[in-house]
Amino acid sequence: TQLLEQSPQFLSIQEGENLTVYCNSSSVFSSLQWYRQEPGEGPVLLVTVVTGGEVKKLKRLTFQFGDARKDSSLHITAAQPGDTGLYLCAGPFTGGGNKLTFGTGTQLKVEL
Amino acid sequence: KAGVTQTPRYLIKTRGQQVTLSCSPISGHRSVSWYQQTPGQGLQFLFEYFSETQRNKGNFPGRFSGRQFSNSRSEMNVSTLELGDSALYLCASSFAGGEETQYFGPGTRLLVL
Repeated sequence: TQLLEQSPQFLSIQEGENLTVYCNSSSVFSSLQWYRQEPGEGPVLLVTVVTGGEVKKLKRLTFQFGDARKDSSLHITAAQPGDTGLYLCAGPFTGGGNKLTFGTGTQLKVEL
Repeated sequence: KAGVTQTPRYLIKTRGQQVTLSCSPISGHRSVSWYQQTPGQGLQFLFEYFSETQRNKGNFPGRFSGRQFSNSRSEMNVSTLELGDSALYLCASSFAGGEETQYFGPGTRLLVL
């Protein structure tokens, strides 16, 4: 069974602070995706990392895929209230098709 | 291009009833996947349909079923509802159903009383 554990589970910070969210597995994934979900909405894809060691930046968000493709991290610089939401990592099921295994989620709240 | 739409958005049912949820994928997308999201279990895969055939199935009881129509629209059905079926049911679509971007709908919030 492919499991993705995220930490921390909850994070409440002040505007302007930096933070890192981790996504770890004992399984190798061909790629990992990061989503953000806001209340009442479905998850929205932020980025897909494919190559071990890959780093991708999306404005103030930096995503990294571990060298062994078993883990990933999301770093947010100078967090803003608009970053508030549920952050989810997800990886494709090795059995094929379009099944995603989702991480346990990190609920982020950024306060003024 | 319109996004993934799900109907209804909210639903209240009682134990023992059945429910049907609908998902219309993005135009041109042929793969539709369904997920259940609960506070305790997170997001869990239910099943995936591609070209009217179920291609993948998650670890859910047979009370959960689905189908896909020739226009790629999909429905999922839950029979004999239990309290634990209360959840946000999300539908996601993609073009061909490989390891590609899935686009999620807003979900149907089901409450079982």
